[in-house]
Amino acid sequence: SQQGEEDPQALSIQEGENATMNCSYKTSINNLQWYRQNSGRGLVHLILIRSNEREKHSGRLRVTLDTSKKSSSLLITASRAADTASYFCATSGRGYNKLIFGAGTRLAVHP
Amino acid sequence: EAGVVQSPRYKIIEKKQPVAFWCNPISGHNTLYWYLQNLGQGPELLIRYENEEAVDDSQLPKDRFSAERLKGVDSTLKIQPAELGDSAVYLCASSPLRDYNEQFFGPGTRLTVL
Repeated sequence: SQQGEEDPQALSIQEGENATMNCSYKTSINNLQWYRQNSGRGLVHLILIRSNEREKHSGRLRVTLDTSKKSSSLLITASRAADTASYFCATSGRGYNKLIFGAGTRLAVHP
Repeated sequence: EAGVVQSPRYKIIEKKQPVAFWCNPISGHNTLYWYLQNLGQGPELLIRYENEEAVDDSQLPKDRFSAERLKGVDSTLKIQPAELGDSAVYLCASSPLRDYNEQFFGPGTRLTVL
């Protein structure tokens, strides 16, 4: 079973625009991670936010976490065609690092 | 540093045939994961190894799936016999320690069962 649910399922934007993807989850977490998957390739870790953090930045990425609403958002600013990929949130509970992934958001950035 | 290596990248077999996937994790990574990813979905954990010990195989369909990690390095995932519903991408990932947050994924093996 998958814990996270991403919204929207698909997003199409123009280069230079911002892209926002949302993730909701069901149970308590230790941390939440975002991964990117390009077509036909494995997943690449983008950013991790811990349960006691509310916002985190990494380059053009901004992640927020609202544990009261059990939700997170990933913002990609000034998008590029190379950002075209599927983006997955993954939650990790206490104990060991078992990641539970959502179904992903498919982002298309058009030149 | 080399990443996680998987082979083959693609495999097409007929149903009821056996198939095996191989994974070589990043050097020094003690924890190894096998995931199943269906089309349009996120990965789902099949099995996790700490060195050579399978510490979480609760999601592995043991009637037809098996895995091994001899000597705590390379790992093999096998399906015998394969069914049509096994068509998916099989991903291998590794991490340095059991409680290290980030996982490093290989490119996956895309299996098609005809």
